[in-house]
Amino acid sequence: SQTIHQWPATLVQPVGSPLSLECTVEGTSNPNLYWYRQAAGRGLQLLFYSVGIGQISSEVPQNLSASRPQDRQFILSSKKLLLSDSGFYLCAWTRAGGPQETQYFGPGTRLLVL
Amino acid sequence: AQSVSQHNHHVILSEAASLELGCNYSYGGTVNLFWYVQYPGQHLQLLLKYFSGDPLVKGIKGFEAEFIKSKFSFNLRKPSVQWSDTAEYFCAVLTGANNLFFGTGTRLTVIP
Repeated sequence: SQTIHQWPATLVQPVGSPLSLECTVEGTSNPNLYWYRQAAGRGLQLLFYSVGIGQISSEVPQNLSASRPQDRQFILSSKKLLLSDSGFYLCAWTRAGGPQETQYFGPGTRLLVL
Repeated sequence: AQSVSQHNHHVILSEAASLELGCNYSYGGTVNLFWYVQYPGQHLQLLLKYFSGDPLVKGIKGFEAEFIKSKFSFNLRKPSVQWSDTAEYFCAVLTGANNLFFGTGTRLTVIP
């Protein structure tokens, strides 16, 4: 069966520090991968999605970036965090058919920027 | 801009009460519609989805949703809620351009 992991579960970082959040998927090949952010009182905002290794599409301009160094690994990064980057970050995967496929979400990472 | 509105932020019901959570979207073209649920301590997961055909869609755990194209709505319903339905519910809309938009979520609390 497929599983999705996110690491770390919780992170507290000072403003201006770098960020690296990791998402890995097991039990499937060539998944589409997604990064979402859920800020307080807001819905899920799609940040990035990837249909393959090295292929990243950005939905929202921001100081975050994403990378997909391996088929089942998706990394969310920042060189300098802002206060507004605080939120709950969710990784998700779908089968290769695209966004109409069911999204399978990870447990999320709660990020607090101070 | 396209958007998904869930006007009920927090709904509190007693067990056996009927539930209807509103979801409205603003997009004029063909859409696919989803409801996702996040139970306390669990991952966000799919509850039901509509792609085409019968606009009344049945999902897991007795939930159903009705797509009313003329009202741009996809409301979630359950005739009799249980304490275990306490969760946060998210509506999502996939546009013809393959853009997926989520609503802000509705927190449901069911009192035993």
